Amino acid sequence: DAGVTQSPTHLIKTRGQQVTLRCSPKSGHDTVSWYQQALGQGPQFIFQYYEEEERQRGNFPDRFSGHQFPNYSSELNVNALWLGDSALYLCASSAGEGYEQYFGPGTRLTVT
Amino acid sequence: QKEVEQNSGPLSVPEGAIASLNCTYSDRGSQSFFWYRQYSGKSPELIMSIYSNGDKEDGRFTAQLNKASQYVSLLIRDSQPSDSATYLCAVDPLRGGKLIFGQGTTLQVKP
Repeated sequence: DAGVTQSPTHLIKTRGQQVTLRCSPKSGHDTVSWYQQALGQGPQFIFQYYEEEERQRGNFPDRFSGHQFPNYSSELNVNALWLGDSALYLCASSAGEGYEQYFGPGTRLTVT
Repeated sequence: QKEVEQNSGPLSVPEGAIASLNCTYSDRGSQSFFWYRQYSGKSPELIMSIYSNGDKEDGRFTAQLNKASQYVSLLIRDSQPSDSATYLCAVDPLRGGKLIFGQGTTLQVKP
């Protein structure tokens, strides 16, 4: 039974560029949430997707956007990257909103 | 006041001892509570979920919830060096999937 997968594992981008991160949920899960984790901090909620719609959003600017596909996989897009966007980006999936969330391995984004 | 607070530690315990990790939260109406373990350089791994007041046991782990005191804790019995990690407390105030995390407590189990 495959768990949550994310790609790529690591990414280096330059300020001002755009990035797309990808996530495939655990088998049987239909809800995907994205989190940003800065070094030494707990993860911060970015947004949640269910039935291909953004259901909830955290305190992140519009530069952060996402999408969910019919197969429940999801993308996180970040435009106009700046140094402060350097972090570990985590995708978590669950069997519906409000249920236990299981995290993928994360994508380490470095903005230079 | 932070929404979810944890002592960052490090909490150091000898092998075989009980480790006690604590977490307080500010939203009195919060519904769901979770403990995650995160090894250095890895992603969080779900250990326990708890929704009702009282204790919930799973192997060497016991989660305790007291909604009146807005307090949730995790006890690890017979601590092992492999338990050395950062433990993250997460709260879902509306049971809708928006987890709010504390900054985590670093646990060191010394042989």
